[in-house]
Amino acid sequence: GIQVEQSPPDLILQEGANSTLRCNFSDSVNNLQWFHQNPWGQLINLFYIPSGTKQNGRLSATTVATERYSLLYISSSQTTDSGVYFCAGSERGGGNKLTFGTGTQLKVEL
Amino acid sequence: NAGVTQTPKFQVLKTGQSMTLQCAQDMNHNSMYWYRQDPGMGLRLIYYSASEGTTDKGEVPNGYNVSRLNKREFSLRLESAAPSQTSVYFCASNDRGLSEETQYFGPGTRLLVL
Repeated sequence: GIQVEQSPPDLILQEGANSTLRCNFSDSVNNLQWFHQNPWGQLINLFYIPSGTKQNGRLSATTVATERYSLLYISSSQTTDSGVYFCAGSERGGGNKLTFGTGTQLKVEL
Repeated sequence: NAGVTQTPKFQVLKTGQSMTLQCAQDMNHNSMYWYRQDPGMGLRLIYYSASEGTTDKGEVPNGYNVSRLNKREFSLRLESAAPSQTSVYFCASNDRGLSEETQYFGPGTRLLVL
């Protein structure tokens, strides 16, 4: 099966700090997506980013498919950014059945 | 537009009992999915339905059955619940054939099997 690995597993930031989360994936992965799971458990799709760069407010993501990694940047972090960030991808040719990484637990403190 | 809805939100079962988790989406999506999330882990795919009338197994299908009732609804059934099925269950949907296959998730069902 495909592999999706995330780092770091845990991260604590002071409000206002910037951070970079990393996702490494195996060669046959596509449909790379980033999700945020808030402290109440809701999963929100942040980016659908099989390649290239996208930005949405303070968040941006870059996927370099040829080197099999994706990065999620959080700038000027806020306490509401706390939660777990997951990357997920599907196997090429296998529809959109996602395999998730184990996530990065982020806590933003005042 | 409610997106993806799931019922119930919480459920406690005794070992051996059965139950059905309901999921509905109002986005006219073709594909629907059931995942489970265990503590400290990412989500794992149980079953999926690529389109109305089709279903297929995911990574962890044992102990579950599904029904794609129509394009909107996709249910997950536990015939004889076991403590190992204690988990949070998420339903998701997306449209196929578009340039972006973003998946949208429901709020989850927390299940405790005693």
